[in-house]
Amino acid sequence: KAGVTQTPRYLIKTRGQQVTLSCSPISGHRSVSWYQQTPGQGLQFLFEYFSETQRNKGNFPGRFSGRQFSNSRSEMNVSTLELGDSALYLCASRQGDSYEQYFGPGTRLTVT
Amino acid sequence: AQKVTQAQTEISVVEKEDVTLDCVYETRDTTYYLFWYKQPPSGELVFLIRRNSFDEQNEISGRYSWNFQKSTSSFNFTITASQVVDSAVYFCALIVSGSARQLTFGSGTQLTVLP
Repeated sequence: KAGVTQTPRYLIKTRGQQVTLSCSPISGHRSVSWYQQTPGQGLQFLFEYFSETQRNKGNFPGRFSGRQFSNSRSEMNVSTLELGDSALYLCASRQGDSYEQYFGPGTRLTVT
Repeated sequence: AQKVTQAQTEISVVEKEDVTLDCVYETRDTTYYLFWYKQPPSGELVFLIRRNSFDEQNEISGRYSWNFQKSTSSFNFTITASQVVDSAVYFCALIVSGSARQLTFGSGTQLTVLP
């Protein structure tokens, strides 16, 4: 089975721009979660989607949003980018009601 | 609120040494799940193990073993006969029971295994 895939792997954006990151879960997994990893704050939960519905949201400003499509693929969007948004964005998927989450390779976003 | 503490920021060992990574957690929930993930330089978090709060049996998988003690709220990870390929950042994480599957991570331990 193919693992979780994320595109793009690397991205450089300018302050004020917006960005969209994509995540394709493992086949059969209907839940997708997003996490932000920075040297200062570590790994922080952004949001979780299940069957196209947001089930849970972390403590992030409204500039961070996401959605999930009927094929379980998910996108996250960050508007009005700030320098502090530079991070590794990790996507994870899980099967059914399982507690194990399987992570993709991440998208490294640099905001200049 | 949940909290996971990994007090060891960095550990260096020489190949073939045993090494233990510490993890201490805090939660008021009685049902919860503990995890260990490995993050190599490539960045992907690799799932290693899940432990349920109601199962305190220790587990061994090859060179890896985990010691779960509810009395001390600890879930420590030992690598026996370490290898250079074990070099990575290791994260301990926690999920409490419920519909949300939100992982709370520790700050990670950078393990370097020297040849």
